Amino acid sequence: NAGVTQTPKFQVLKTGQSMTLQCAQDMNHNSMYWYRQDPGMGLRLIYYSASEGTTDKGEVPNGYNVSRLNKREFSLRLESAAPSQTSVYFCASSEVKSDKLFFGSGTQLSVL
Amino acid sequence: QKEVEQDPGPLSVPEGAIVSLNCTYSNSAFQYFMWYRQYSRKGPELLMYTYSSGNKEDGRFTAQVDKSSKYISLFIRDSQPSDSATYLCAMKNQGGKLIFGQGTELSVKP
Repeated sequence: NAGVTQTPKFQVLKTGQSMTLQCAQDMNHNSMYWYRQDPGMGLRLIYYSASEGTTDKGEVPNGYNVSRLNKREFSLRLESAAPSQTSVYFCASSEVKSDKLFFGSGTQLSVL
Repeated sequence: QKEVEQDPGPLSVPEGAIVSLNCTYSNSAFQYFMWYRQYSRKGPELLMYTYSSGNKEDGRFTAQVDKSSKYISLFIRDSQPSDSATYLCAMKNQGGKLIFGQGTELSVKP
């Protein structure tokens, strides 16, 4: 019962580098989300996918792109990383129209 | 002003104490209220879910919503060291997206 799996767990980038954060869920959920968590800011929604084939912007989408590869997988891409993107990133999934989110363990990203 | 305000703490209590965690909000359209618990280096997990005003109890945990005051609380009775975590409130209106508080870090000392 893996739930939501995120890779990598830790990453250090230099400014301007690109990378993709991977997320996969095995609960057959339709909806998937990417959040970032910063001290004093709580969890903020970056992008979400209500169902396979759809993606929408959240509260803080600038500098990010997403791909809903299939029902299981939802990736987050940083095209040109900036120090302001240093954060802990969480992927989550849920049933359609459910408020019960299941979170992964997070990716700690540092951009130098 | 943030839509949801939560004291970040840290809050330190002795084992067995009653803990009160609180959030205030500004959007009167919020209808659904949740508490998530987050252990260190882990993702949040849903702890309590309430709709409308009143109390909801689950074991040692009680969630309370006061819509007239735009105030929600989570009470933990007989707190245990295993309750040490960050507690995040979250809320939303019909059809809206979840808005999270900043989280309160709780430490329960043996």
